[in-house]
Amino acid sequence: DVKVTQSSRYLVKRTGEKVFLECVQDMDHENMFWYRQDPGLGLRLIYFSYDVKMKEKGDIPEGYSVSREKKERFSLILESASTNQTSMYLCAGPGPGELFFGEGSRLTVL
Amino acid sequence: AQSVAQPEDQVNVAEGNPLTVKCTYSVSGNPYLFWYVQYPNRGLQFLLKYITGDNLVKGSYGFEAEFNKSQTSFHLKKPSALVSDSALYFCAVRPVNNNDMRFGAGTRLTVKP
Repeated sequence: DVKVTQSSRYLVKRTGEKVFLECVQDMDHENMFWYRQDPGLGLRLIYFSYDVKMKEKGDIPEGYSVSREKKERFSLILESASTNQTSMYLCAGPGPGELFFGEGSRLTVL
Repeated sequence: AQSVAQPEDQVNVAEGNPLTVKCTYSVSGNPYLFWYVQYPNRGLQFLLKYITGDNLVKGSYGFEAEFNKSQTSFHLKKPSALVSDSALYFCAVRPVNNNDMRFGAGTRLTVKP
């Protein structure tokens, strides 16, 4: 199975701060994904990447950007955090059909 | 685009009773279907998937799901619920020809002793 590691489990940031969420996968896969999870809304795709330096917008990319400089690492960036970005962020890498998820990063923006 | 509906926000069952968590989907073409479980403040754990073949799929922790193409459903089942099964369950679908996976809103399962 793919192992997906998110470096920060809990973060508290102030409005306007720049926030980096880091994700690393161990299987040399091309595809990686960032989702946002909110109660009652399930998981919504923010961005995905299908190779180094390649990215595609998901359903809710506004207010976010991503970086994929190395195949194993996919970073989600909040250029100027806002309170409505308080959420659980989940990174995923592909398996044989399914996705494997990291433990999640719970971000609170004050 | 594909979509998933989980019609129940909450399912409550007594320990030892059978449980069902419902899922219906919409997708163009053939689907890949998945169930995930999430414990508090954790990521999603993969439970089982339907890719092709037998409509009854068995997965982790005694869970199973039945693919019903005519009803576009993929309900999650377990013959005898445990208190430790209490968690948030997500159904997901993607077309066979791309990685665009869509999730339902989730169903919170509570198993009472």
